[in-house]
Amino acid sequence: EIVMTQSPATLSVSPGERATLSCRASRSVRSNLAWYQQKPGQAPRLLIYGASTRATGIPARFSGSGSGTDFTLTITSLQSEDFAVYFCHQYNNWPPYTFGQGTKLEIK
Amino acid sequence: VQLVESGGNLVPPGGSLRLSCAASGFTFSSYEMNWVRQAPGKGLEWISYISVGGINIFYADSVMGRFTISRDDAKTSLFLQMHNLRAEDTAIYYCARVGTTPSAPIGFDIWGQGTMVTVSS
Repeated sequence: EIVMTQSPATLSVSPGERATLSCRASRSVRSNLAWYQQKPGQAPRLLIYGASTRATGIPARFSGSGSGTDFTLTITSLQSEDFAVYFCHQYNNWPPYTFGQGTKLEIK
Repeated sequence: VQLVESGGNLVPPGGSLRLSCAASGFTFSSYEMNWVRQAPGKGLEWISYISVGGINIFYADSVMGRFTISRDDAKTSLFLQMHNLRAEDTAIYYCARVGTTPSAPIGFDIWGQGTMVTVSS
């Protein structure tokens, strides 16, 4: 099973600034990595797939990078609606599909 | 494009429950589907997958032998039959579609709103 580790667990950033979230896989997942955003009381929403491709309707301030074992989600010019929990997800080696434990992005 | 789960409830330990996920707005029969759960205040845990046509089925170790995934393409619905429920099965259960491009899968692109299962006496 591939273990996904996200850091930090909580990230405090001011609106308008940049947030950088990390995700590391226990072994290579190539570029088969997705990022999801989850707000309280809502289902996860696909943001990024293929490590760097924005899903339909996702604003350009969200970007993903990386391949193999190390991945980054960057959110520039943080808006109030961006404060949420973010999960990474590998879909290269499954079953099982595995998720990171999440990074909570909070307002500083 | 929408997924709507139902069937969540409060059940005692050892009880059974059947969850449903109604799909609309897309050709359900052409998509692989999954169940993913989230315990209160916790992260996401994948628990089961079913392929197009139901040919391939997989489960997480945590539910193997107790849960059964199925689909009815005529009714555009996904199901999860759960037996021998435990306190640790308490969670919101989401159905999620495997998104695809012409070249590759893209993760889970559509999620339902979830249905809450509480296992407690």
